Amino acid sequence: SQKIEQNSEALNIQEGKTATLTCNYTNYSPAYLQWYRQDPGRGPVFLLLIRENEKEKRKERLKVTFDTTLKQSLFHITASQPADSATYLCALQNSGGYQKVTFGTGTKLQVIP
Amino acid sequence: GAVVSQHPSRVICKSGTSVKIECRSLDFQATTMFWYRQFPKKSLMLMATSNEGSKATYEQGVEKDKFLINHASLTLSTLTVTSAHPEDSSFYICSAGDEKTDNYGYTFGSGTRLTVV
Repeated sequence: SQKIEQNSEALNIQEGKTATLTCNYTNYSPAYLQWYRQDPGRGPVFLLLIRENEKEKRKERLKVTFDTTLKQSLFHITASQPADSATYLCALQNSGGYQKVTFGTGTKLQVIP
Repeated sequence: GAVVSQHPSRVICKSGTSVKIECRSLDFQATTMFWYRQFPKKSLMLMATSNEGSKATYEQGVEKDKFLINHASLTLSTLTVTSAHPEDSSFYICSAGDEKTDNYGYTFGSGTRLTVV
């Protein structure tokens, strides 16, 4: 069966360090992989999308890698700040365009001052 | 940027009554919207895909007669929870994509916390 696992339910890191979150999937061939941030009681906010033919994408302090052989994406936040504390969700999309996405289990990141 | 407005943000209703949740895309048109529910400390579960002018596509295990979806215009989709029961209490969220852009990220509403008593 299809599975998307973010293998840390919670991650605590010191302010200023780089946070690295992992998303692993099985029985998927995603065209796109997306990362979202969700704060308590709010809807997710889109951060980055990476396509199957892309290895890496960056946006400000964020970096996403996508390894279709390992079936894994890594999400990095450099120079982390307490304001980065939130739950981060990866999401897979099997085809292009605006099609449905399936979300992973999420990782709750806590950046400690 | 794209904004999706979702109302109400919170609703408490009695068991057996129906509740309507609205989602509007404010500055873009969305032929497709998605409805999710989320239980505490769990991820988002897709309930259905709402298609403008046609019937919604429901995910396996979601009762279409219980969760009525209407997408009457390019900017409005509604989810009606009919004959609500306490087990329907959850956080419901909609999303849509601005199809005029090609970044393919989705914009989510702020969510509706439904409590059935």
